[in-house]
Amino acid sequence: AQSVAQPEDQVNVAEGNPLTVKCTYSVSGNPYLFWYVQYPNRGLQFLLKYITGDNLVKGSYGFEAEFNKSQTSFHLKKPSALVSDSALYFCAVRDFNTNAGKSTFGDGTTLTVKP
Amino acid sequence: KAGVTQTPRYLIKTRGQQVTLSCSPISGHRSVSWYQQTPGQGLQFLFEYFSETQRNKGNFPGRFSGRQFSNSRSEMNVSTLELGDSALYLCASQWDSTYEQYFGPGTRLTVT
Repeated sequence: AQSVAQPEDQVNVAEGNPLTVKCTYSVSGNPYLFWYVQYPNRGLQFLLKYITGDNLVKGSYGFEAEFNKSQTSFHLKKPSALVSDSALYFCAVRDFNTNAGKSTFGDGTTLTVKP
Repeated sequence: KAGVTQTPRYLIKTRGQQVTLSCSPISGHRSVSWYQQTPGQGLQFLFEYFSETQRNKGNFPGRFSGRQFSNSRSEMNVSTLELGDSALYLCASQWDSTYEQYFGPGTRLTVT
């Protein structure tokens, strides 16, 4: 079975500071990893993904994430946070070796960026 | 290109009734997935359809069902509604070769 853990329900950072939202995963095969963001009363928006290749992937709005196979982690990062980054962030994993098409999401992390 | 659309956006039903939700994917996307989002359970996978066939199914009771039409539009049906079915139901579509999903705004279902 595949699973995702987001160990922090809430992350608070000051505007201009770097931010990290943590994600660890478990799959039996090769992981395909994703980050999504959800603004209030809206659906999820795709931010970035890791399928293969470079461990550091860059996505929308200046976000990036680093795939670490040994630590089974895929942490979301941004060098300088903006107030507008405040939202709910979800990490997701898909294992196409054993479970094509099924995405498993973490419970989400609420990011609050204070001015 | 138009995004994923879901109708209706809000719905209020009473226990025991049934409901049908609709999802129109992005043009060209053949895969449609459904999720239930609640504060307590997070995002739970319901099922995925690809080319009118159910390709994957989550751990939900048989009261939850779905289908996909030849134009890739999808519907999900919940019969004999329970209070616990109150949730935001999200639909997502994707190209089968790129893996990331594009979500609609959701249908907020309230069961009273």
